[in-house]
Amino acid sequence: LAKTTQPISMDSYEGQEVNITCSHNNIATNDYITWYQQFPSQGPRFIIQGYKTKVTNEVASLFIPADRKSSTLSLPRVSLSDTAVYYCLVEGGSYIPTFGRGTSLIVHP
Amino acid sequence: GAGVSQSPSNKVTEKGKDVELRCDPISGHTALYWYRQSLGQGLEFLIYFQGNSAPDKSGLPSDRFSAERTGGSVSTLTIQRTQQEDSAVYLCASSLARGNTGELFFGEGSRLTVL
Repeated sequence: LAKTTQPISMDSYEGQEVNITCSHNNIATNDYITWYQQFPSQGPRFIIQGYKTKVTNEVASLFIPADRKSSTLSLPRVSLSDTAVYYCLVEGGSYIPTFGRGTSLIVHP
Repeated sequence: GAGVSQSPSNKVTEKGKDVELRCDPISGHTALYWYRQSLGQGLEFLIYFQGNSAPDKSGLPSDRFSAERTGGSVSTLTIQRTQQEDSAVYLCASSLARGNTGELFFGEGSRLTVL
């Protein structure tokens, strides 16, 4: 089971781009990288998933280098409503999705 | 509704009482997970159901915790003889499939407070 490491907290300001990097040195060949977002008093919600290179959707981009030992979630032009906890997961076919403590992002006015 | 539904949203109980928490997953989702989240912590896996297979109970913290899933749909998490350390938010999630592309859909959670 690939362990993930991500910063405990980050601060940013409205309008800035935020990049949250997750390390997963022992990722397996068939593992995917998934990011979830959790607002206070809510369950986590899926943001983005990728296997390699770059994935982009309407919410975020996910950058994965060739060795796949890390990944970076990029949030463009954050707003106050992006204040949340962001979880990086490495998931394979036989794994129970494991959520660490995540990265608490605080966006300031 | 279209999402995962959990009830009750809040439950306050006295130490030693039993509690039942309910999860109604998204229709058609074969996978169902229970997690719990203590204040300021990540999610702790409790139990996993996949179709008609035997559940993965490897995350249950003690034999006071049990869960069942009837008819492959609704699930109930039961905590017997509650203790103060059981206070947490209990989250249920369902998924179409397990693994690589099995996006989890979470409910709002059931906040349990044991006095």
